[in-house]
Amino acid sequence: QVQLQESGPGLVKPSQTLSLTCTVSGGSISSGDYYWSWIRQPPGKGLEWIGYIYYSGSTYYNPSLKSRVTISVDTSKNQFSLKLSSVTAADTAVYYCARDPGGYSYGFFDYWGQGTLVTVSS
Amino acid sequence: SSELTQDPAVSVALGQTVRITCQGDSLRSYYASWYQQKPGQAPVLVIYGKNNRPSGIPDRFSGSSSGNTASLTITGAQAEDEADYYCNSRDSSGNRLFGGGTKLTVL
Repeated sequence: QVQLQESGPGLVKPSQTLSLTCTVSGGSISSGDYYWSWIRQPPGKGLEWIGYIYYSGSTYYNPSLKSRVTISVDTSKNQFSLKLSSVTAADTAVYYCARDPGGYSYGFFDYWGQGTLVTVSS
Repeated sequence: SSELTQDPAVSVALGQTVRITCQGDSLRSYYASWYQQKPGQAPVLVIYGKNNRPSGIPDRFSGSSSGNTASLTITGAQAEDEADYYCNSRDSSGNRLFGGGTKLTVL
C-alpha cells in the first residue's frame, strides 16, 4: 500500500520561502509509472493543483503559480519537495502531496498524503 | 477554457439517488475523476476514468459523462456520504484542474 507523508514548517513569515517534503513509502518514485504532485487547499476553500514532477526531474507547474514554484525530486530518499517563494497570507493552506498515474485521458490522484497546514504570518 | 464548474451545494434524502455535476470544456476531451472529502481529512478518490471505482469504494458510486458535463451519481445515499465532492480533470496543456466543490447534505 502506497503511503505519502508531508513534512515541513507549519509557520512561514511573509515574503519568505515555504518548503515542504513528501516522503513516499510502499512504492518507488523511480519506477517511472507516476507523476508526483503538490495540491493545496486554503481553509474553507477548494483544491488547487500546484504542479507535478516525474522521477527524471521533469516538472509541470500551474501557470498561476509558476513564477514562484519549484518542485524537485530525490530518488535516493524516495522524496519530492516543494518550494514556494515570496509567500503571503493568501498562501496559507493545507498542502497535500499526491500520486498521479498520468495517462493521456486522465489527470487524477489515486493516493494522497494526510496534508499539512502551513500558515503564513509574522 | 480551463475551468470546471460545480454547484456549491446539493441535498438528498436518505436512501434516495443524487447526481452531482461538473461542467467544463476540457471534459469533451478528457475524463473527469471524483473525490470525496470529509472535514479534516484528505480527499479520497471515488471515481476515475470512464466509470472506475478504486478498491473499497461502494458500488453505489458511479460516474458518467456527456458532452461538457460529467456526473457523479450516488444511488441510495447513506448518512456517511455527507461530504464535499470535487471533480478533477486535465486540460490540453497538461494542467490538472479541480472544480470548486459541491457540499452534499443527506437529509
